[in-house]
Amino acid sequence: SQQGEEDPQALSIQEGENATMNCSYKTSINNLQWYRQNSGRGLVHLILIRSNEREKHSGRLRVTLDTSKKSSSLLITASRAADTASYFCATDADRDDKIIFGKGTRLHILP
Amino acid sequence: NAGVTQTPKFQVLKTGQSMTLQCAQDMNHEYMSWYRQDPGMGLRLIHYSVGAGITDQGEVPNGYNVSRSTTEDFPLRLLSAAPSQTSVYFCASSSLAGPQETQYFGPGTRLLVL
Repeated sequence: SQQGEEDPQALSIQEGENATMNCSYKTSINNLQWYRQNSGRGLVHLILIRSNEREKHSGRLRVTLDTSKKSSSLLITASRAADTASYFCATDADRDDKIIFGKGTRLHILP
Repeated sequence: NAGVTQTPKFQVLKTGQSMTLQCAQDMNHEYMSWYRQDPGMGLRLIHYSVGAGITDQGEVPNGYNVSRSTTEDFPLRLLSAAPSQTSVYFCASSSLAGPQETQYFGPGTRLLVL
């Protein structure tokens, strides 16, 4: 079974609004990463947060990690049309070298 | 740097045929992996490698073989293609002898098995 599960599966918001996606995972991890995938393309790395970090920022992105709840959130502020994509979390379990992805959240920014 | 390259981009196979999906990276990354992506399923790990001569199974390894004779190349072999293997296949690589850092993805190979 997959390690990470994103929530919601799909999200539509107006341009300029903030978008929040959540990821829950099952086992203890070394780090958690968020990736973006535009339709039909490969994945692009957005941000990595380590297990000893609680929050990280990168431009309009804010990621939080709560290891006690085994969950992470990705906040995209002031959304733009170009943010329309699928977003995936990926976890690196501390017991092996596998990177496991969730099923993703499809984000659609409405003009 | 070309990054991670995959060939072919598209492939149609008949059930029972075999083929090799090629993946190469020019970043001297130790860690390489193969994923398949199906609608609604996200990416599922097939096989991965932490260095030349070392491979291991991921979440869905059945029906696939890999080898890692060089740091640069990590081919994925389908021994006897089945319709259930119709998917988009992505290869990825990252630095260090583990997945602790950013993974770089190839553009994908779209495979249709009839």
